[in-house]
Amino acid sequence: EIVMTQSPATLSVSPGERATLSCRASQSVGSNLAWYQQRPGRAPRLLIYGSSIRATGIPPRLSGSGSGTEFTLTISSLQSEDFAVYYCQHYDNWPWTFGQGTKVEIK
Amino acid sequence: DVQLVESGGGLVQPGGSLRLSCSASGFTFRTYAMHWVRQAPGKGLEYVSMISDNGRSIYYVDSVKGRFTISRDNSKNTLYLQMSSLRVEDTAVYYCVTKGVGDFDHWGQGTLVTVSS
Repeated sequence: EIVMTQSPATLSVSPGERATLSCRASQSVGSNLAWYQQRPGRAPRLLIYGSSIRATGIPPRLSGSGSGTEFTLTISSLQSEDFAVYYCQHYDNWPWTFGQGTKVEIK
Repeated sequence: DVQLVESGGGLVQPGGSLRLSCSASGFTFRTYAMHWVRQAPGKGLEYVSMISDNGRSIYYVDSVKGRFTISRDNSKNTLYLQMSSLRVEDTAVYYCVTKGVGDFDHWGQGTLVTVSS
């Protein structure tokens, strides 16, 4: 099983600032990496797939990068709706696995 | 619009059984793989099981192998998860998920399964 490790666990950021979230895979997953956002009491929402492709309706201030074992989600200027928990997830082979999540909170 | 509606969750004693259902609409159900993903209270997300569009390929996470059975009825646009020998650690919200090419990625609202005596 591929283990996905996210860092940091919590990120405290002021509105308008930049946030950088990291995700590391225990072995290469190529570009088979997605990012999800989850708000309290809601189902996760797909943000990024294929490591760097924004899903429909996702604003350009969110961007993904990386391949192999190292991935990054960047939010260039945090808006109020961006304060949430973010998960990376690989879909290279079964079992697909998620990272443990990074909570982005208001500083 | 794609809709996935889970049902069947509830309170069950350890060792008991429960069957979850997911009713799908708004897309051609028979052409998409389907998934169950769970989230324990206050915890992260975990893939539980996946079934291919025709039901011939099935995968389970190790922690549920031999206890959970995923199935689908393409004539009824419905996905199932039969859970038996339930453990306290199976307590979670269970989401029905469909994924396809690109950003075709849809989740239900989830159904809560509580395993407790």
